[in-house]
Amino acid sequence: NAGVTQTPKFQVLKTGQSMTLQCAQDMNHEYMSWYRQDPGMGLRLIHYSVGAGITDQGEVPNGYNVSRSTTEDFPLRLLSAAPSQTSVYFCASRRDGEAFFGQGTRLTVV
Amino acid sequence: AQSVAQPEDQVNVAEGNPLTVKCTYSVSGNPYLFWYVQYPNRGLQFLLKYITGDNLVKGSYGFEAEFNKSQTSFHLKKPSALVSDSALYFCAVRDSTDSWGKLQFGAGTQVVVTP
Repeated sequence: NAGVTQTPKFQVLKTGQSMTLQCAQDMNHEYMSWYRQDPGMGLRLIHYSVGAGITDQGEVPNGYNVSRSTTEDFPLRLLSAAPSQTSVYFCASRRDGEAFFGQGTRLTVV
Repeated sequence: AQSVAQPEDQVNVAEGNPLTVKCTYSVSGNPYLFWYVQYPNRGLQFLLKYITGDNLVKGSYGFEAEFNKSQTSFHLKKPSALVSDSALYFCAVRDSTDSWGKLQFGAGTQVVVTP
């Protein structure tokens, strides 16, 4: 049972480049979400999904897009990377109770 | 909207002493409360949760937390801290009235346990 898998683990982008952070879970969880973690700010919700085809914005959605075509996958797209998007990104999934987190993607935008 | 406050950026404790990490929350409905721990360069690991029932909740690695409705608090405790408990701890809350079930995190408290 792999749980929540995020790829890549590390990424360096140039300003203006686009990329997709991948997230997959094998627990058949309906609810999936993306957070970014910045020092002193905890985890802030970017986007979330309550099932295939249903997504909504969280606290800090600007500059990011998501889609949920399957229950298992919830990719996060950076449209045009900016230095302010340098952060550690976590994907999480849950059913009713606690959330399960991936190991994170450390993204640096130069 | 829900919110969570962790008033201490860092807690220092000697090994063997009791450890307390504070958390207060604000919700419109009933709170669903969680504690997570993060070790360096790792994801968040679930420690314990309060949904309903007994106010004292026991979790992983000897941790427990007490739900106090009147003080809107959910402090994390461990009777005897270990050096290996040094990590970043997050409190989180969901509001029962939020149909989307969003999870709100506090800013985190760094725990440093010295030998």
